[in-house]
Amino acid sequence: GENVEQHPSTLSVQEGDSAVIKCTYSDSASNYFPWYKQELGKGPQLIIDIRSNVGEKKDQRIAVTLNKTAKHFSLHITETQPEDSAVYFCVQGGNKLVFGAGTILRVKS
Amino acid sequence: DTEVTQTPKHLVMGMTNKKSLKCEQHMGHRAMYWYKQKAKKPPELMFVYSYEKLSINESVPSRFSPECPNSSLLNLHLHALQPEDSALYLCASSHPLSGETQYFGPGTRLLVL
Repeated sequence: GENVEQHPSTLSVQEGDSAVIKCTYSDSASNYFPWYKQELGKGPQLIIDIRSNVGEKKDQRIAVTLNKTAKHFSLHITETQPEDSAVYFCVQGGNKLVFGAGTILRVKS
Repeated sequence: DTEVTQTPKHLVMGMTNKKSLKCEQHMGHRAMYWYKQKAKKPPELMFVYSYEKLSINESVPSRFSPECPNSSLLNLHLHALQPEDSALYLCASSHPLSGETQYFGPGTRLLVL
């Protein structure tokens, strides 16, 4: 069946450093890849998404890259801040969302 | 406005109780979803409504009964739940086409005693 592998499962960085989360998907027909951030006690919030007609998208400190040939996509957060601490999910979009297992990001100040 | 609201925020119920979770959106979305999320896990899809009709039921036990009374509202009726049903229940909405962004509500934290 469809699945998304996400790494690492936990990531600790110092404030101001960069964080990178990587995902691999299985459905080569998929063309939509959103990323969600979930803070403690809250629902997932869309932070950025990318469609297969582009290889990279950036929004301030957040960027996402997509390699359709390798079926990889990654989230890059630069100049991390304590408020970036949360669980991040990569998702393969489609009729049903297929979530990665999640990455717990801790930003130490 | 990309807001999905859910009530109540927290719910404690016994195994013989009947309760309902409510979800509302005013974004004009015609697809609405219920997800269940256990601690330290990603959300799991339960039901999908498209144009107010149930289009996907992920083999959810009948003690969970969804209802979509109109294009803005989604309910989840709960009856005779088990302690293992304790979880965060999330509602989401989107335009009904494949590949459209889903917007999630804050969730209802359910505890079954």
